[in-house]
Amino acid sequence: DVKVTQSSRYLVKRTGEKVFLECVQDMDHENMFWYRQDPGLGLRLIYFSYDVKMKEKGDIPEGYSVSREKKERFSLILESASTNQTSMYLCATLASGRASTDTQYFGPGTRLTVL
Amino acid sequence: KNEVEQSPQNLTAQEGEFITINCSYSVGISALHWLQQHPGGGIVSLFMLSSGKKKHGRLIATINIQEKHSSLHITASHPRDSAVYICAVRWYTDKLIFGTGTRLQVFP
Repeated sequence: DVKVTQSSRYLVKRTGEKVFLECVQDMDHENMFWYRQDPGLGLRLIYFSYDVKMKEKGDIPEGYSVSREKKERFSLILESASTNQTSMYLCATLASGRASTDTQYFGPGTRLTVL
Repeated sequence: KNEVEQSPQNLTAQEGEFITINCSYSVGISALHWLQQHPGGGIVSLFMLSSGKKKHGRLIATINIQEKHSSLHITASHPRDSAVYICAVRWYTDKLIFGTGTRLQVFP
């Protein structure tokens, strides 16, 4: 079974703090994704990575950056947290070259509150 | 206009009822996914389909490519089916576009 873990289930930070959200997968998947989920808006893609040190902006990258130094780990960074970044953050993975035959596997989510 | 629209947004049912959740999309796709999210946040994949129909236990998913429409059916619903059901489409890339979800509550 694919296992996708996220560093925290719940996180409370103050405005202006630097925040790191980490995602680790154990299935050697090339693709990793960071989403945020807000009521009424569904899941929106922030960034994704298709290989180590490779990244691509998603639909809402502003205010975020990412790091993929190792294949199994994909970090989401909020350089200076703001209250509008209060949300549920979900990480997902997908094996490359199997877009038509495989699904994304999701982590349990991190509920971030910025005060 | 969202590229993926689900209906209804909220649904309540009595245990044992037959439930249908609908998903319409506006773009050409390579696959459509149905996902389930329980309270607490974790998301699991129920189905991935690109044509026809799939069945798993009490769950049935259908897709009509020409009409750009998919349905998720739950037969003999149970309170443990209470969750948010999310439709997502894949555009011939590794990225998904998600609907906003249907919140289902099944009462005993």
